[in-house]
Amino acid sequence: KAGVTQTPRYLIKTRGQQVTLSCSPISGHRSVSWYQQTPGQGLQFLFEYFSETQRNKGNFPGRFSGRQFSNSRSEMNVSTLELGDSALYLCASSLEGYGIPDTQYFGPGTRLTVL
Amino acid sequence: AQSVTQLDSHVSVSEGTPVLLRCNYSSSYSPSLFWYVQHPNKGLQLLLKYTSAATLVKGINGFEAEFKKSETSFHLTKPSAHMSDAAEYFCVVAAIKAAGNKLTFGGGTRVLVKP
Repeated sequence: KAGVTQTPRYLIKTRGQQVTLSCSPISGHRSVSWYQQTPGQGLQFLFEYFSETQRNKGNFPGRFSGRQFSNSRSEMNVSTLELGDSALYLCASSLEGYGIPDTQYFGPGTRLTVL
Repeated sequence: AQSVTQLDSHVSVSEGTPVLLRCNYSSSYSPSLFWYVQHPNKGLQLLLKYTSAATLVKGINGFEAEFKKSETSFHLTKPSAHMSDAAEYFCVVAAIKAAGNKLTFGGGTRVLVKP
């Protein structure tokens, strides 16, 4: 079974631009979560989508948004990019998210550099 | 609320010697705990998972972890380090199910393996 895939793997943008990152979960997985990884802040939870609905949200400004499609694929968007948005963005998928917390399987990440 | 503290930001071991990575957690509820490993420029790979079954959990590549409720600890060990174990390791606690899928990460422990 194919793992979580993320596109693009690398991205360079300038301040003020916007960016869209894409994540395809493992086949059959319905929950998709996004995380930001930076040297200073470590790994931080952005949001989670399940059945096309945002179910959980971390402490990030409204410039960070996401959505999930009916096939469970997810996108996240960052508008009005700032230098501090430079990070590795990781997507994770899990089966459903009921009962005992599901194992989340991570993609390779998208490395975003903001100049 | 929940949190995770990894007590060592860096650990250096010689190949063939034991590895100990320390993790303390805080959770309002009976937690689900995970250890993930991240090799350079890669995503996160699950090593092992604790979900209130056996307190000693065996994972991949010879790693194991012991859940100690009285000490609120979940330390990761391996009897004999291999060069390929050089990576960053994250201790993770999962939110209760009502909150959906949300992982809280420790700050990470970077492992250096000397030949």
